[in-house]
Amino acid sequence: SAVISQKPSRDICQRGTSLTIQCQVDSQVTMMFWYRQQPGQSLTLIATANQGSEATYESGFVIDKFPISRPNLTFSTLTVSNMSPEDSSIYLCSVELQEVYGYTFGSGTRLTVV
Amino acid sequence: KQEVTQIPAALSVPEGENLVLNCSFTDSAIYNLQWFRQDPGKGLTSLLLIQSSQREQTSGRLNASLDKSSGRSTLYIAASQPGDSATYLCAVPGGNMLTFGGGTRLMVKP
Repeated sequence: SAVISQKPSRDICQRGTSLTIQCQVDSQVTMMFWYRQQPGQSLTLIATANQGSEATYESGFVIDKFPISRPNLTFSTLTVSNMSPEDSSIYLCSVELQEVYGYTFGSGTRLTVV
Repeated sequence: KQEVTQIPAALSVPEGENLVLNCSFTDSAIYNLQWFRQDPGKGLTSLLLIQSSQREQTSGRLNASLDKSSGRSTLYIAASQPGDSATYLCAVPGGNMLTFGGGTRLMVKP
């Protein structure tokens, strides 16, 4: 299965600023997935990032708020823009290398907006 | 639309007990089901993956079963330990995404 390095592991940010989260995978993958986990909640898919095309966003999430880059088959970034306290969550990236291995997740970024 | 439910939402047991966590899903057209563990503020660690053709998978003290026809999966933890305290999530794939249950928050007391 894949190994994902996610950075930063946590951050405390001022409202109105932006934070970029990085995920590096040790294998080439077609799709990378970005999830949000609000306090006490389960995971919600933000968007799917394909290399060479624009990310596909789920209902309730927009590119201006969560721009995503996917410059190659092993790397992606998610930016949380113009942050407010409501953006305080854990953000996770994920890949599925092959169906037989299932999904692998990064270690998460715990974001607190003050 | 796939919906995944986990029961119970929280569970507190004394060390050494055997326990069962439940997961149900509404659409049985799945190709696998995955159980994850999440420690507070951290990412997800995959525990077990059951392919749709399998009935169960075992890893150490963990055993997961899958009954596609009834839309159910169980995670059995034998001889629980305080280090097992965490949130356990089940998830099923569909449409290039995972749908998660709400999780079971487990506390094992020494």
